[in-house]
Amino acid sequence: DAGITQSPRHKVTETGTPVTLRCHQTENHRYMYWYRQDPGHGLRLIHYSYGVKDTDKGEVSDGYSVSRSKTEDFLLTLESATSSQTSVYFCAIRITGATGELFFGEGSRLTVL
Amino acid sequence: SQQGEEDPQALSIQEGENATMNCSYKTSINNLQWYRQNSGRGLVHLILIRSNEREKHSGRLRVTLDTSKKSSSLLITASRAADTASYFCATESNAGGTSYGKLTFGQGTILTVHP
Repeated sequence: DAGITQSPRHKVTETGTPVTLRCHQTENHRYMYWYRQDPGHGLRLIHYSYGVKDTDKGEVSDGYSVSRSKTEDFLLTLESATSSQTSVYFCAIRITGATGELFFGEGSRLTVL
Repeated sequence: SQQGEEDPQALSIQEGENATMNCSYKTSINNLQWYRQNSGRGLVHLILIRSNEREKHSGRLRVTLDTSKKSSSLLITASRAADTASYFCATESNAGGTSYGKLTFGQGTILTVHP
């Protein structure tokens, strides 16, 4: 499983509250990604990181921010959660030196009421 | 917009039959990948085919890639009930400079294999 842990796995929150999801890897891989999965949309990239403090926006970054202060942790923050951010969030890593496949965490299911 | 579009959206077959899923994409690519997702779980990588390859095999999986048509197909032979899952294609684009390994996913095909 490439040592990826997402937390929390489930969260219910109210509109307007801040939420932080954590992705932790036990190895020192450079590239990490946050995707969201919604019915009818497949997976869409929110943000990605190519090193400590090196991050960039993906396809659906509005309303989200990320931070990567250590190689092993990639945090996704919803500053003020909205109902449209109800989704399943997946973290993924790209194994250094591999051909390009991603390894995914088990997902974090977020419900914004 | 989605890079990959998959067809069919859902496929229902009997054990032992073959399952074929198709994927189309829009931009030039470095590679195309297929992933599997069991209900409530994360995605698992199945197979990767590079842009200069036309066909690749892995066990009961066969992937083809036609870059002129910007399309790919995944064939699962002799399907089993345990193959029941959602299958996604994903592309790593080589348009616009360094990709940073980013993948763009299709909407997926839901495969149901009946015992």
